Amino acid sequence: GQQLNQSPQSMFIQEGEDVSMNCTSSSIFNTWLWYKQDPGEGPVLLIALYKAGELTSNGRLTAQFGITRKDSFLNISASIPSDVGIYFCAGQLGDKIIFGKGTRLHILP
Amino acid sequence: DVKVTQSSRYLVKRTGEKVFLECVQDMDHENMFWYRQDPGLGLRLIYFSYDVKMKEKGDIPEGYSVSREKKERFSLILESASTNQTSMYLCASSVPGDRDYEQYFGPGTRLTVT
Repeated sequence: GQQLNQSPQSMFIQEGEDVSMNCTSSSIFNTWLWYKQDPGEGPVLLIALYKAGELTSNGRLTAQFGITRKDSFLNISASIPSDVGIYFCAGQLGDKIIFGKGTRLHILP
Repeated sequence: DVKVTQSSRYLVKRTGEKVFLECVQDMDHENMFWYRQDPGLGLRLIYFSYDVKMKEKGDIPEGYSVSREKKERFSLILESASTNQTSMYLCASSVPGDRDYEQYFGPGTRLTVT
């Protein structure tokens, strides 16, 4: 079946650093979504992207819908302790949503 | 704000028991979904529903059934729980239309089957 390759699987960074993660696929997606899941909670929608090339920000978060429609990235600037969690990308293909396996972000004190 | 609530945060059941997981959303969303989340496997779709009394199988429906008697409520049923159904279960809802892929998730139910 279709798969999203999300990388990296995990990241260890210092507070204040910028973070970048991405998702790629061999399939063309019509929509890209980025979610964050805090420990013990359900995923929360951060950013939704609907057009190829679209660049959207939500506070310190910026996400882009790749021109080829096969990839998307999420950047977090000036990370803070509450950014810890798992970040999921998701792509819409036909009537299905496919989720990446997540990037687990750890912030070192 | 969309609110999706799940009846239990943690549940421990014995093998063979019938288990009901309840999900309620308060934003009049037509679409509702049940996922399970396992380490290394991400989110996998079990069942979904686009309307009352309607249900569709997702990617891993075996061992599960669902019920949607009211628009706001979507129940996941494990007819005879097994240890391989130990997992985190997530319910989600969305509005049909241009933005129907923006799913709103509940806090999850962590189910342990012993």
